[in-house]
Amino acid sequence: DTGVSQNPRHKITKRGQNVTFRCDPISEHNRLYWYRQTLGQGPEFLTYFQNEAQLEKSRLLSDRFSAERPKGSFSTLEIQRTEQGDSAMYLCASSLIDSINEKLFFGSGTQLSVL
Amino acid sequence: SQQGEEDPQALSIQEGENATMNCSYKTSINNLQWYRQNSGRGLVHLILIRSNEREKHSGRLRVTLDTSKKSSSLLITASRAADTASYFCATAGTASKLTFGTGTRLQVTL
Repeated sequence: DTGVSQNPRHKITKRGQNVTFRCDPISEHNRLYWYRQTLGQGPEFLTYFQNEAQLEKSRLLSDRFSAERPKGSFSTLEIQRTEQGDSAMYLCASSLIDSINEKLFFGSGTQLSVL
Repeated sequence: SQQGEEDPQALSIQEGENATMNCSYKTSINNLQWYRQNSGRGLVHLILIRSNEREKHSGRLRVTLDTSKKSSSLLITASRAADTASYFCATAGTASKLTFGTGTRLQVTL
């Protein structure tokens, strides 16, 4: 399967703990995006990378959130000192930049529950 | 924050009927895309329409775009039970990120 892969699929943690999610994009894609989605809402942009460079971060991304994409391949999203409000589905998407008309390929997401 | 809103929020139809959902957005765009999401899964790209296009077709899908009204519509013809999902519009402006709407939950019953 050459789609976008996210691990783990589900994560349950206690408030105050740190969590890390991983995303493996489609191999030839140079852009990688992180979105967050809460129940009944659309995905909200968090950050994106072009190759290994993080080019934009949303104001939603507090200093407890950090994302990396070493070597421009897989990416990790870490949340430190989790809060109950962090409970959401975290979606990763990748794309191959081709002018402005790029479509995103999404993974199945990581569902985070903070108790 | 969400760029726009879909209307209706929820839609229930019978198999074979057509489903129409609308999307309104706020700022100028380069293109508008529609995605589908099955419960608990990631989003799947359906169709993209550029800002200089007014209508586009793909199989049973028909998308229109009215940039003067900042609105788009997605028509699914001859709906099937397998079309049951949430549908989101997403806009691409000058920035590289897509901004998604709030979604329409479509239920197709037999």
